[in-house]
Amino acid sequence: NAGVTQTPKFQVLKTGQSMTLQCAQDMNHEYMSWYRQDPGMGLRLIHYSVGAGITDQGEVPNGYNVSRSTTEDFPLRLLSAAPSQTSVYFCASSPLAGQGNQPQHFGDGTRLSIL
Amino acid sequence: AQTVTQSQPEMSVQEAETVTLSCTYDTSENNYYLFWYKQPPSRQMILVIRQEAYKQQNATENRFSVNFQKAAKSFSLKISDSQLGDTAMYFCAFMATTGANSKLTFGKGITLSVRP
Repeated sequence: NAGVTQTPKFQVLKTGQSMTLQCAQDMNHEYMSWYRQDPGMGLRLIHYSVGAGITDQGEVPNGYNVSRSTTEDFPLRLLSAAPSQTSVYFCASSPLAGQGNQPQHFGDGTRLSIL
Repeated sequence: AQTVTQSQPEMSVQEAETVTLSCTYDTSENNYYLFWYKQPPSRQMILVIRQEAYKQQNATENRFSVNFQKAAKSFSLKISDSQLGDTAMYFCAFMATTGANSKLTFGKGITLSVRP
């Protein structure tokens, strides 16, 4: 059981480049989300999805796009990378929306550096 | 909107001793869940313990227990018999049970070091 798989694990970009961070889960979870983790800031929600075809913004959505064409995949796109987007990115999923008794499963994170 | 506050940026404890990590939160919701996550140097996010707001009994998981004070909006984590493997960053998190999503709101985290 692979759980939540994020690729790549590390990436270095130049300012202005575009990139897609991949996230896939094999648990048939409805809810998927992206967080970014910055020193002293904890994890902040970027975008989330409650099912295929449905996405919504979180706390810090600017500069990021998402789509959810399948239940399994939830890619995060940076259209024009900026140094402020240097961060560690986590993808998470859970079985049912709004059900706190179903804990979120996190991927191992992607460390992204923008030069 | 919910907020989660972890005011201590870092703590240190001697191996085998007990340490308490503090967390306060603010919400207008009546039904919610509270969590403590552990993030070791490997960067994985590991769920340590979970508390449902409607339960008065404090949750326990082996050496980990919480002190949940709903009226005070306080949710502290106690680690007993600290082990070197407990060295990690710890995040307190909140999730409302209303609404059609499972959004987690995290505190800024606390770095815990266990000294041999």
